[in-house]
Amino acid sequence: GAVVSQHPSWVICKSGTSVKIECRSLDFQATTMFWYRQFPKQSLMLMATSNEGSKATYEQGVEKDKFLINHASLTLSTLTVTSAHPEDSSFYICSARVSSNSWPSSGNTIYFGEGSWLTVV
Amino acid sequence: GQQVMQIPQYQHVQEGEDFTTYCNSSTTLSNIQWYKQRPGGHPVFLIQLVKSGEVKKQKRLTFQFGEAKKNSSLHITATQTTDVGTYFCAGHRGSTLGRLYFGRGTQLTVWP
Repeated sequence: GAVVSQHPSWVICKSGTSVKIECRSLDFQATTMFWYRQFPKQSLMLMATSNEGSKATYEQGVEKDKFLINHASLTLSTLTVTSAHPEDSSFYICSARVSSNSWPSSGNTIYFGEGSWLTVV
Repeated sequence: GQQVMQIPQYQHVQEGEDFTTYCNSSTTLSNIQWYKQRPGGHPVFLIQLVKSGEVKKQKRLTFQFGEAKKNSSLHITATQTTDVGTYFCAGHRGSTLGRLYFGRGTQLTVWP
């Protein structure tokens, strides 16, 4: 089945530094990837929708200059947390949408990465 | 490999029929969450169950968390075309500060 690889699984960084999280679709092409953030005991919060070759669409309240998203190819999207602060510590997860429109996918089948836990100290 | 198994992968029903999707984990879960993704949209959080044997209802949707906290189900009574979408379950294993393990999702199609 389709696999979305997210790396790193765990990262600890110092306050003020930047950290990059990668999201790769390993055996399919993904024109759209989603980035989520999750705080403990809370649901996923969509941060942005990333479309290959174009600028990401950010949800209201998400700082695009702080959370840089690049979707340079059909198999890779990256999220860079710039000038990280302790309040950015969270669980970040991506998902990728299969490009195929063949039934039963209908262009809407998505697969999640396993997530990345960021701790800023 | 997939840590949380979800079946069926696809379900096609006639409007008015019932629908159920099941999630099963090989290990005990701290909680179970359910999400719905409409076609062309992103997953939307539906509900979270935490207690063993817990049952919650949202209108026509009934959510159950197994006694052993290893399985869960989502049941929709008398489906409507607005129920179309993919339903995901997800759970934490151990600390809720750790990874959230998602099922693959069940894609529901409702024929009018």
